[in-house]
Amino acid sequence: RKEVEQDPGPFNVPEGATVAFNCTYSNSASQSFFWYRQDCRKEPKLLMSVYSSGNEDGRFTAQLNRASQYISLLIRDSKLSDSATYLCVVPLAGGYNKLIFGAGTRLAVHP
Amino acid sequence: DVKVTQSSRYLVKRTGEKVFLECVQDMDHENMFWYRQDPGLGLRLIYFSYDVKMKEKGDIPEGYSVSREKKERFSLILESASTNQTSMYLCASSLLEGVGYTFGSGTRLTVV
Repeated sequence: RKEVEQDPGPFNVPEGATVAFNCTYSNSASQSFFWYRQDCRKEPKLLMSVYSSGNEDGRFTAQLNRASQYISLLIRDSKLSDSATYLCVVPLAGGYNKLIFGAGTRLAVHP
Repeated sequence: DVKVTQSSRYLVKRTGEKVFLECVQDMDHENMFWYRQDPGLGLRLIYFSYDVKMKEKGDIPEGYSVSREKKERFSLILESASTNQTSMYLCASSLLEGVGYTFGSGTRLTVV
């Protein structure tokens, strides 16, 4: 099993839609998780941190299911500007704050 | 906000050249990282450093070395550039534990 697995997509959705991405991880000792957003030919930027069961920030909700070892990201009322690749990020055991990045899920929001 | 600055946005180098990629962060972060990102492969860790003069190999260190002489600067060195090192190189920094990284804007390196 890969350390972090994501559906690569693309997810093509109309404006206003609700879309959800899932991510599974294999390191059960992981405590903190992250979602990053990456625009085409740009660097990844931190979108949300997930430290307990979940976190909400406006239209974005991240949930963590430790028993099943998956993290989800829900985007409500999608905007054209949400089009990007979303990276699921999980810490690696062993210290030094090493993070493992998923390959990303691509989202395309159309008018 | 933390700023991570990579010295070049685009570079074109010849096969066999020694290439230096520079990264500077301004928030006194202990940890610094070098990744490369290729289509379909995601981000892969090349090297990281948790303190001055300390370095650890990541998943794909072959053909690379690093230098961290000062806390704010972490350099990636391609000893003898090859065409398979054509990639987007991303530097990142972070505090010690439990927080996300801040990335630089990346260097798109082409080796011809």
